[in-house]
Amino acid sequence: DAKTTQPNSMESNEEEPVHLPCNHSTISGTDYIHWYRQLPSQGPEYVIHGLTSNVNNRMASLAIAEDRKSSTLILHRATLRDAAVYYCILNSGGSNYKLTFGKGTLLTVNP
Amino acid sequence: DTGVSQDPRHKITKRGQNVTFRCDPISEHNRLYWYRQTLGQGPEFLTYFQNEAQLEKSRLLSDRFSAERPKGSFSTLEIQRTEQGDSAMYLCASSPWLNSPLHFGNGTRLTVT
Repeated sequence: DAKTTQPNSMESNEEEPVHLPCNHSTISGTDYIHWYRQLPSQGPEYVIHGLTSNVNNRMASLAIAEDRKSSTLILHRATLRDAAVYYCILNSGGSNYKLTFGKGTLLTVNP
Repeated sequence: DTGVSQDPRHKITKRGQNVTFRCDPISEHNRLYWYRQTLGQGPEFLTYFQNEAQLEKSRLLSDRFSAERPKGSFSTLEIQRTEQGDSAMYLCASSPWLNSPLHFGNGTRLTVT
């Protein structure tokens, strides 16, 4: 699977929007962009995924660049519960179970 | 939906001992996955079941590791002759079909002394 690059850490303030970037310059045409997060002492939790178009769900929005070489996970109003490690993962459509997690971005939310 | 359940949450064992972990997936999820996560790293894929059939195994799964899902419901992961390098969080996940998101449990943390 193609590699992703994420900042090691980011900080935000409670109730403010958070934009978590992910670069994936070697993405292929069949690669989906998945985001999972992992809260302390818990297993990873699915957040959102997309292929080409921007996606929204109750947890977050995913903005995908037109050339698909980068994407941004948007948390519209951060809460303390959003403090977690966020993983951006590329996976081709046929094997989304074999996720290659990197080190992710540790998000700290300040009260 | 009670979530993926893993037991035990923590296990401390001495080097050379055998250990077994259990995973109960979400009801009616016929796909089940095992991952391993070492400190400071993201999870790594170990193996995948569709119903009772083990369809894929990572090369990380050495001969000392064996996973089963005998009736297509719960699964067990056994590690024989544990080594200190086996110390990690072992995560189980399930999904209802192939391309749906994975639902992870909270893992079993293994410490080998």
